[in-house]
Amino acid sequence: DTAVSQTPKYLVTQMGNDKSIKCEQNLGHDTMYWYKQDSKKFLKIMFSYNNKELIINETVPNRFSPKSPDKAHLNLHINSLELGDSAVYFCASSLMGTQYFGPGTRLLVL
Amino acid sequence: GIQVEQSPPDLILQEGANSTLRCNFSDSVNNLQWFHQNPWGQLINLFYIPSGTKQNGRLSATTVATERYSLLYISSSQTTDSGVYFCAVNMDSSYKLIFGSGTRLLVRP
Repeated sequence: DTAVSQTPKYLVTQMGNDKSIKCEQNLGHDTMYWYKQDSKKFLKIMFSYNNKELIINETVPNRFSPKSPDKAHLNLHINSLELGDSAVYFCASSLMGTQYFGPGTRLLVL
Repeated sequence: GIQVEQSPPDLILQEGANSTLRCNFSDSVNNLQWFHQNPWGQLINLFYIPSGTKQNGRLSATTVATERYSLLYISSSQTTDSGVYFCAVNMDSSYKLIFGSGTRLLVRP
């Protein structure tokens, strides 16, 4: 049983394109997150939603737009992709305290 | 903002050895978690431990909140323990986790 799932697992695209990453959790959690892990393995939070409401919006370019259609889903849309967007993007969810992470989406912008 | 420092940055062990990983944080925290990122990139939750001591098999963790540090103990290490160990903390009710830079562990057979 998959707890937090993400699609796609890998994404290779050209600069300037628009792409989306989807996340779903079947844990019944109220809160979901997007994190970015750079090439040096550093993990940083980008966004968080609680019951479909945006509660955390870190200093992220406007080209990144999260959307939560319901409590179980949190998608990330990225416009006008840049080379520096290449990274691993992790989705996570939590009920209280403990966060559970998805497998990650490896994005490579050429 | 809060600073989270992990040490050592890199650690090489022979299979069967024990080790201690440390996480120091610069302010009071509500939440502290330890994660293991395996060589395939999966982030696995090890402990939720804002204070006290917990054990899970060969792993145990202790957080001394008043002194702002946490320790992760790995006993009788195995090659499957290899990967990066992250400490992450949260200061408020937003549950935003601030990650340390990790300890890269390599266990040799």
